[in-house]
Amino acid sequence: SQKIEQNSEALNIQEGKTATLTCNYTNYSPAYLQWYRQDPGRGPVFLLLIRENEKEKRKERLKVTFDTTLKQSLFHITASQPADSATYLCAPHNNDMRFGAGTRLTVKP
Amino acid sequence: DTAVSQTPKYLVTQMGNDKSIKCEQNLGHDTMYWYKQDSKKFLKIMFSYNNKELIINETVPNRFSPKSPDKAHLNLHINSLELGDSAVYFCASSRALSRSDYGYTFGSGTRLTVV
Repeated sequence: SQKIEQNSEALNIQEGKTATLTCNYTNYSPAYLQWYRQDPGRGPVFLLLIRENEKEKRKERLKVTFDTTLKQSLFHITASQPADSATYLCAPHNNDMRFGAGTRLTVKP
Repeated sequence: DTAVSQTPKYLVTQMGNDKSIKCEQNLGHDTMYWYKQDSKKFLKIMFSYNNKELIINETVPNRFSPKSPDKAHLNLHINSLELGDSAVYFCASSRALSRSDYGYTFGSGTRLTVV
């Protein structure tokens, strides 16, 4: 069956460092992969979408990679700030979007 | 202007009751969705509607029924509520991803508590 794994339930880093979150998937070949941010008590907020024919995408301090051979996406936040603290969800998908369990990122001042 | 709005934000009800959650989007999106987020924070898709046609129907109990009166609305009706239905329900909408680099827009959620 299809499986999505975000291999860190929680990640703590120091302000100014680069946060790297990992998303692995098995038993399917998604055409799209999306990353979302979710704050407590709120709905997920879209960050980036990358397609299977794209290796990398950037948006301001965010960078996403999509390796269809390794079946993995890496999500980077450079120059991290305490305001980046949140849960980050990955969603590799075709027609129906399914989410990983999320990684809770805490950026300490 | 709120892009995807859900009502109510909180809903407390007794077992066995029937309730509805409403969702409206003003983005002109093609497809709308309902997701359930349980106590372990895991988001699971329940339904999606594209142009008033159901295109995904996950293995949810048939006590749950989506109703879409038009492209901008997707309501969720739940019959005979059970304790296990307690969760946060999110509505979302999107354009066709083949034509957009933008993902889904989510509402702020409805916290349903069944007592």
